[in-house]
Amino acid sequence: EAGVAQSPRYKIIEKRQSVAFWCNPISGHATLYWYQQILGQGPKLLIQFQNNGVVDDSQLPKDRFSAERLKGVDSTLKIQPAKLEDSAVYLCASSPETGPRAFFGQGTRLTVV
Amino acid sequence: AQKITQTQPGMFVQEKEAVTLDCTYDTSDQSYGLFWYKQPSSGEMIFLIYQGSYDEQNATEGRYSLNFQKARKSANLVISASQLGDSAMYFCAMRPYNQGGKLIFGQGTELSVKP
Repeated sequence: EAGVAQSPRYKIIEKRQSVAFWCNPISGHATLYWYQQILGQGPKLLIQFQNNGVVDDSQLPKDRFSAERLKGVDSTLKIQPAKLEDSAVYLCASSPETGPRAFFGQGTRLTVV
Repeated sequence: AQKITQTQPGMFVQEKEAVTLDCTYDTSDQSYGLFWYKQPSSGEMIFLIYQGSYDEQNATEGRYSLNFQKARKSANLVISASQLGDSAMYFCAMRPYNQGGKLIFGQGTELSVKP
């Protein structure tokens, strides 16, 4: 079974530039999550989708971050414009309708300089 | 407020010995899940073990066991017979089932296994 796919693995941009991350969840998983993990901290939820609807985006900085999940499958997370404090690993995860477990991708490490 | 606390920023253990990583949680929910994930330097989050709040038996998965004490709100991870490959960050997480299923993570514990 293929896992959660994320790209790119690494990205370096200058502040005020824009960047986009892509996630392909495990086939059939209805729920998709984006987490931000700042160095030395645990992951923090940015946004959660159920199929293509948003369940929780309470911690998403909506002035600069946006996310979409078209057709309830792939998802894109965008940052525009990026700030230095956005440097982090962005983790995508998905989970099935039944069962408690979430499956994580390898993450995208973003460095803003 | 929902919160996970891991009080050990770093731990050392000798190879082949057992080690306990501490985790306490705060929730007013009755139904929730507790998880441990391993994060090696490559960055992926690897699922280790799960305990449901209504499970009476402590969960075990191979060398991993979860010491669940509900009254104390603790969910410590025990790794038996440590291996060099166990060196990594370990995160405790909680999933309150009435909040859409998101995971709330602790700050993590860095485990170093010495040969």
